[in-house]
Amino acid sequence: DQQVKQNSPSLSVQEGRISILNCDYTNSMFDYFLWYKKYPAEGPTFLISISSIKDKNEDGRFTVFLNKSAKHLSLHIVPSQPGDSAVYFCAASPSGSARQLTFGSGTQLTVLP
Amino acid sequence: GAGVSQTPSNKVTEKGKYVELRCDPISGHTALYWYRQSLGQGPEFLIYFQGTGAADDSGLPNDRFFAVRPEGSVSTLKIQRTERGDSAVYLCASRSQSGARRFNEQFFGPGTRLTVL
Repeated sequence: DQQVKQNSPSLSVQEGRISILNCDYTNSMFDYFLWYKKYPAEGPTFLISISSIKDKNEDGRFTVFLNKSAKHLSLHIVPSQPGDSAVYFCAASPSGSARQLTFGSGTQLTVLP
Repeated sequence: GAGVSQTPSNKVTEKGKYVELRCDPISGHTALYWYRQSLGQGPEFLIYFQGTGAADDSGLPNDRFFAVRPEGSVSTLKIQRTERGDSAVYLCASRSQSGARRFNEQFFGPGTRLTVL
């Protein structure tokens, strides 16, 4: 039973346009959400996060939106750049000191020049 | 500064053998995690250390898997009697538990790709 789901395995967008990556979760105990970016042969790199007490967090070209009632979050990248091409993972953690992450299966983003 | 490092980067072994995977976390990070990533999937949590002790090992798939962190820094993931299904990328991450900013951010190493023939 996947607690964090990314239903789109891949997404292609044109350079300069907006990329929207989606993520759904089922566990109500999750209170912190993160997006990681992964290049081949490298570990995941933290991108942006959001606490459940917020509905939006912005960092430069990256914005994460959280809809708690729908248990849905999305990552917006605008404008998209070819260097953004990577696998993006959504992750969630419950409250408590451990903060272990539950990941989605990832979305391969390809930004076309 | 140095990030999380993992050795070896690749490990090929035969079914039934014993393997050890090493993780060097970021200096000063008290929290350390092991994850396993199978092809086409996201990383799956295995075990979490707070200092020297395994605070949560609920993700270890069975008793063939064991991990230690004797001095609260370097950690070793040990797999006994390896099976073909153990083939995956094993990722280590560490996290600082001081300071308010990004206190949930885990920093990942590049992983060890384990192949069991």
